[in-house]
Amino acid sequence: GNSVTQMEGPVTLSEEAFLTINCTYTATGYPSLFWYVQYPGEGLQLLLKATKADDKGSNKGFEATYRKETTSFHLEKGSVQVSDSAVYFCALIGGGSQGNLIFGKGTKLSVKP
Amino acid sequence: EPEVTQTPSHQVTQMGQEVILRCVPISNHLYFYWYRQILGQKVEFLVSFYNNEISEKSEIFDDQFSVERPDGSNFTLKIRSTKLEDSAMYFCASILDQGRETQYFGPGTRLLVL
Repeated sequence: GNSVTQMEGPVTLSEEAFLTINCTYTATGYPSLFWYVQYPGEGLQLLLKATKADDKGSNKGFEATYRKETTSFHLEKGSVQVSDSAVYFCALIGGGSQGNLIFGKGTKLSVKP
Repeated sequence: EPEVTQTPSHQVTQMGQEVILRCVPISNHLYFYWYRQILGQKVEFLVSFYNNEISEKSEIFDDQFSVERPDGSNFTLKIRSTKLEDSAMYFCASILDQGRETQYFGPGTRLLVL
């Protein structure tokens, strides 16, 4: 079945450091891929998405490229800020699905000043 | 900006009791979802709902669970007889149209079963 695996956290970085959170997936067909973010005390918010191979999603300085050959959708940001501290979830909607998201376990990011 | 709301934010209940978790989706959205996240684990799909009926459900969504859209605004998840393992954060989500669209999530209800 469809599944998402993302790197375990927590990840602690200093401000302005480079961020990578790895995400790989298993899916039948052609999934759409998402990164959601959950700030403390809030719900899940879409950060970015990509719906086909080689698409790059980007938002707020974050980027992720849909790599079909490596079944990956790694999240990157060149210079993190304290305000980026949150839990990040990689997710997919599988080909043929009725739209339910399949999530990874989440990676908690803490950015220190 | 319109948002999905959920009540209550926290609920504590005794094992065997019934609980109803409430959600108000974005007003013009047509598809509704419930997810849950047991502490430290991944967010899991429970059920999707469209046109006043369940369109898809996971194996977690057994006979103890039910969903309802009792009026034009609320979308509820009922757990008939709670178990300890139902303790989790429950998220509601909605989308305008089916498929690969962005799902808008509520802030969640943290349920603790004692």
